[in-house]
Amino acid sequence: GESVGLHLPTLSVQEGDNSIINCAYSNSASDYFIWYKQESGKGPQFIIDIRSNMDKRQGQRVTVLLNKTVKHLSLQIAATQPGDSAVYFCAESGVRGSNYKLTFGKGTLLTVNP
Amino acid sequence: DTEVTQTPKHLVMGMTNKKSLKCEQHMGHRAMYWYKQKAKKPPELMFVYSYEKLSINESVPSRFSPECPNSSLLNLHLHALQPEDSALYLCASSQSSGGLNEQFFGPGTRLTVL
Repeated sequence: GESVGLHLPTLSVQEGDNSIINCAYSNSASDYFIWYKQESGKGPQFIIDIRSNMDKRQGQRVTVLLNKTVKHLSLQIAATQPGDSAVYFCAESGVRGSNYKLTFGKGTLLTVNP
Repeated sequence: DTEVTQTPKHLVMGMTNKKSLKCEQHMGHRAMYWYKQKAKKPPELMFVYSYEKLSINESVPSRFSPECPNSSLLNLHLHALQPEDSALYLCASSQSSGGLNEQFFGPGTRLTVL
């Protein structure tokens, strides 16, 4: 999702439902993408990554989909649990200037209702 | 050990104070990073060290001074900060600063400048 002003995009789901969090990236030269989960008061925690030569990757309860044509990334969480409540950031790694940099998207706040 | 540690967890300082943030990793990573994160915003890159040499400075004001004494340690020296510098300061590390490397984040130091 895209943020407007200072507001963080939010997604509210019921426990047990599947969640889909979307992200648009900007650098067509980015070749590596990561999803991070950040709980309140903590640093970002790695969830799953995907390289640009793939369009899908699965982990435990999570799947990342990459559409390079429209520069879109999504994170699917199966059977969402209250412990999944957090802010989720996508991040793209690509050359900007003469260095590789990790650039974070705006983030989505996921709230799981019991 | 797959952890990045940061001290202190919280820091309150006046605008005339000098303080330092510390970061440590024992994963054998050769790239270390400082990020700044304001509330409800994504982390923003400040500095990158690669093999103990500063490789990226994202036009950060000189009141922030990074230091990498050895491959496991990263410091951020603070002097004459402004209230708008209040934020969560995150340290991260990765195997190298190349593109296809996951960055591991520490829990951050919550800095308040009075």
